[in-house]
Amino acid sequence: QQQVKQSPQSLIVQKGGISIINCAYENTAFDYFPWYQQFPGKGPALLIAIRPDVSEKKEGRFTISFNKSAKQFSLHIMDSQPGDSATYFCAASMDSGGGADGLTFGKGTHLIIQP
Amino acid sequence: DVKVTQSSRYLVKRTGEKVFLECVQDMDHENMFWYRQDPGLGLRLIYFSYDVKMKEKGDIPEGYSVSREKKERFSLILESASTNQTSMYLCASSFRGGENIQYFGAGTRLSVL
Repeated sequence: QQQVKQSPQSLIVQKGGISIINCAYENTAFDYFPWYQQFPGKGPALLIAIRPDVSEKKEGRFTISFNKSAKQFSLHIMDSQPGDSATYFCAASMDSGGGADGLTFGKGTHLIIQP
Repeated sequence: DVKVTQSSRYLVKRTGEKVFLECVQDMDHENMFWYRQDPGLGLRLIYFSYDVKMKEKGDIPEGYSVSREKKERFSLILESASTNQTSMYLCASSFRGGENIQYFGAGTRLSVL
């Protein structure tokens, strides 16, 4: 059972355009929704994250939009640059009450920004 | 900077071998995790640990075990490697409590022949 569904699988955007990646989740106990960015040969690194008590969070060119009722969240990359070309993963976790919280990941989106 | 170091970038093993993947973090994190990454499947959680000698099963623990004898070190063990365990293995660590920010190593690409 795939608990976090991510789309599209791949995306090509022109330089300066807006990249949009969408995720949907099923488990209403999830309370933390991060996006990770992975470059070839590297491990994923946290890009931006949101909790369900807010509908939007912005950090520089990166914005998460969150729709709790629809159980969906999305990543928007404004003014996309060639350096943004990477694989992006959405993820979700729930508060285990002081223990370790494993992340449930989407399948990833391979983003290419064309110059 | 947080550093999560995985001992090998590439490993080639034979079917039936016992395989050890090692991970060390230098930030005194309580939590450590092992994921495997496969094309088109994303990252899937194998095992995690919130303290020394403590371990919890993730979503796909079958065929794997783990060991955490020291806080900074978390080992993934394949008792009898099989070809379907050919994958990229990623280790991560995080602080207990607060925001669940996980820091990942660069990964170990394991091929089982």
